[in-house]
Amino acid sequence: EVQLVQSGAEVKKPGESLKISCKGSGYSFTSYWIGWVRQMPGKGLEWMGLIHPGDSDTRYSPSFQGQVTISADKSISTAYLQWSSLKASDTAIYYCARHGRATGSYFGQGTLVTVSS
Amino acid sequence: DFVLTQTPLSLSVTPGQPASISCKSSESLLHIDGKTYLYWYLQKPGQSPHLLISEVSSRFSGVPERFSGSGSGTDFTLKISRVEAEDVGVYYCMQGIRLPLTFGGGTKVEIK
Repeated sequence: EVQLVQSGAEVKKPGESLKISCKGSGYSFTSYWIGWVRQMPGKGLEWMGLIHPGDSDTRYSPSFQGQVTISADKSISTAYLQWSSLKASDTAIYYCARHGRATGSYFGQGTLVTVSS
Repeated sequence: DFVLTQTPLSLSVTPGQPASISCKSSESLLHIDGKTYLYWYLQKPGQSPHLLISEVSSRFSGVPERFSGSGSGTDFTLKISRVEAEDVGVYYCMQGIRLPLTFGGGTKVEIK
C-alpha cells in the first residue's frame, strides 16, 4: 500500500526557517516524481514543484522558483520542502504528492504551516 | 505554463440529478506517446485530494461508475450521472503532460 506520511503542524514567526518532510513507503521511491502542493486558506491547489529522487532532477513552478527548496534523500525515502525566511503569506496547508503519468498523483495527509508574529 | 480554466466555479445539485464540469487547457494535452494526460481529483471537506480519473477517462480503482470523463486536445468534461450526498467537495482538473504540473482553479459542488 502506497503511503506518504508528512511531518506535523508547525507554528513559526516571520523570518524563521523551516523544513518539512514527507516519507514514502509501499513503492519504489526512486521511480516516481514527488512534489509539493500548496493550499492557502480557503483557496485552490497549487503545484510548487517536484523532484525525481532517482537523479535529483527538480522542477519548480515559476511562482515558487527561488522562494523554496525541494530536496529528497533516497536512502530514507523522504522528500523535503524548505524555507529560509518565512512570511505570513506562507501560511497554508502543504501536501506532498507522488506523481506518475499512468497513476496520477497520490497525496499525503498535509502539513499545516502557520506563520504569525 | 499551461493554464487550465474550469467552469463553473460552483454547482448546487439536487441529489439524483446530473452534474457536469468543464476544463479547458491553454495548450493541447496530447502527448507524443498518443496519450492525453488530463486528470480529475476530488477534495472532500477537510481531506486531502484524491484521484478520480486519469488520462481523460480512466476511472481510478474504487471510483463509482457514475463518474465519467471525456474530451480531447484542450477541452475536457467530468460528468456525474446522478449526484449523491457523498460527492460534495471541490473538483480539480490537472495536466500531467509537462512539468511543473498545474491544476485548474476548482469547482465546488454542493447539494441542494
